Amino acid sequence: RKEVEQDPGPFNVPEGATVAFNCTYSNSASQSFFWYRQDCRKEPKLLMSVYSSGNEDGRFTAQLNRASQYISLLIRDSKLSDSATYLCVAPTNAGKSTFGDGTTLTVKP
Amino acid sequence: DAGVIQSPRHEVTEMGQEVTLRCKPISGHDYLFWYRQTMMRGLELLIYFNNNVPIDDSGMPEDRFSAKMPNASFSTLKIQPSEPRDSAVYFCASSGNRGIREKLFFGSGTQLSVL
Repeated sequence: RKEVEQDPGPFNVPEGATVAFNCTYSNSASQSFFWYRQDCRKEPKLLMSVYSSGNEDGRFTAQLNRASQYISLLIRDSKLSDSATYLCVAPTNAGKSTFGDGTTLTVKP
Repeated sequence: DAGVIQSPRHEVTEMGQEVTLRCKPISGHDYLFWYRQTMMRGLELLIYFNNNVPIDDSGMPEDRFSAKMPNASFSTLKIQPSEPRDSAVYFCASSGNRGIREKLFFGSGTQLSVL
């Protein structure tokens, strides 16, 4: 089993839609979690950090469920500019940061 | 802050040649990571360092790959000899000294093509 697994996608949604991605992790000792955004042919960039039950930043909400070992990312009122690949990562206590395979989102007009 | 700096941006080489990728982490960062990204395998962690010491190299595909960090401001990833299946984008990333609670800052990557 992979350390971090994500919804395979792709997700194709119209502008204004709400979309959610899930990410499961296998290391129960992971304490912090991150969502990164990667645009085509660019490097990943941090979108959100999740240290406790959840985090909200504008249209983006990340939630953590420790019992089921998954984190989710909710995007409300999708914009064309949200089209990208979203990667989750759950570092181990030793600092090892393994990424999921990513979920591709395409927002259409 | 100059960010993580990688060189070269693009590298085209022939099978069998030695390839060296370079990375300068953000000043003051204690962790340095090397990743490889392909369409088939996604973003794979190859190796990471803490305070210049390799901590986990289990992701290094085979002995043809080696990485060094001679000081806090420089790291190299070497492939010798290179093969076509090594073609990928190689990213270097660094993070600060709070360990697992730190976000990663990525360089722009090196696009490697082995013909």
